[in-house]
Formats: sequence, C-alpha cells, structure tokens
Amino acid sequence: DADVTQTPRNRITKTGKRIMLECSQTKGHDRMYWYRQDPGLGLQLIYYSFDVKDINKGEISDGYSVSRQAQAKFSLSLESAIPNQTALYFCATSAPSGDADTQYFGPGTRLTVL
Amino acid sequence: RKEVEQDPGPFNVPEGATVAFNCTYSNSASQSFFWYRQDCRKEPKLLMSVYSSGNEDGRFTAQLNRASQYISLLIRDSKLSDSATYLCVVKWHTGRRALTFGSGTRLQVQP
Repeated sequence: DADVTQTPRNRITKTGKRIMLECSQTKGHDRMYWYRQDPGLGLQLIYYSFDVKDINKGEISDGYSVSRQAQAKFSLSLESAIPNQTALYFCATSAPSGDADTQYFGPGTRLTVL
Repeated sequence: RKEVEQDPGPFNVPEGATVAFNCTYSNSASQSFFWYRQDCRKEPKLLMSVYSSGNEDGRFTAQLNRASQYISLLIRDSKLSDSATYLCVVKWHTGRRALTFGSGTRLQVQP
C-alpha cells in the first residue's frame, strides 16, 4: 500500500463549488504539505503543517484553507472554486533529519474547475 | 526573478550520452539543495541531495557552487529510463521553513 494517499485522484467541478482534497499518510511523519503544480511553473507551496497544532501559509494560500485533523491527515479546501485553480495538487510529508528533509509525495489529485 | 531557475529544456540526447543541467538560486541564505525526479503525470521523488563537496550516486553527479549560487546535475551514460523532468530544490534555513522547487528541466533520451 502507498505511504501517502490522496483522494480523490481526479475531480471535475464547477465555479463556486466547495471542494475538499484529502491526504493521509502511514509514514508517521509530523510534517505535511500541500502543493499545486501548473505546466511550466513547477510546484508552488500552498500550506504546510509541522505538527497538528502548527499551520502555515505558503506562497499561494489565497483561496485555500487547510485542516490538520490528526498527525496522519491533512486536508485542503477550496471554499469557492474558480477556473484558475485548475491544477495538479500534491500532498507531501517529511521527517527531517539534519538538513535532509526528504519529502514524500502522494500520487496527486487532478482538479478541473469549469 | 524566480527564486530557483532552471532551463526548461527539453534536452533531447541519444542513449549513452552525457548531459548536464544547471540551476541557479537567488537567496544566498539557502542551505540545503536537492534534485528530484518527476515522471510524466507522476509525483516527484528525491533523486539525490547536493553537498558542498560534490557527490556522486552511480551515473549521477551533483555539484554545488555557493559563490555563484548554482547547482548542477550530470548524468553519464544516459538510459531511456532517465527520461523525466528533473527538479532543482532549495531549502531556506531562514524565514519560510519549507522547500522551494524550480520549474524543472525535461530530459528525453532517445534510442
């Protein structure tokens, strides 16, 4: 079984709808992240959490919110989806050791907002 | 200016060729550096960390030049399976406590 799972894997929705993307991990990591990826722009950090009580905004948090329900779960919400939020969304986890901070990514959620 | 910049490519090379990618970063306070690999429509995966003294992992060699603020990745004896996008990644040790990804360099190894 995958260590980092994301649901749904694909979603098509309409402008104005509320959407939640879910991420679960079995790696036992404290740190979790949400990124979006657009063609030619690389990965952009939306939100990150270093433990259950720690939530931080990333580069592009406007229009998004998150909830860290437990160490293993980190969900991303789009309160009112808009077409320019169409992208590939990745969840990641890490348990840094010194400077390493290797991130382990889920398989991604492809979101289309019409 | 982007914080981490890469040539998007694509780099089209024949099997067996040696290919090198460069990446520049803007923040001199950056302390940790990595190369990730991403296959088409898949999640990124760590390829290797980059150390100041340079490091090698099989056919892959990573170099860091702090004075010029660039990182390089050299792939020797390219294989078809090396075809992917290579992401340059930097970790700031002040301010934002997360990784910053470049937009990636696409490599296509041809038979």
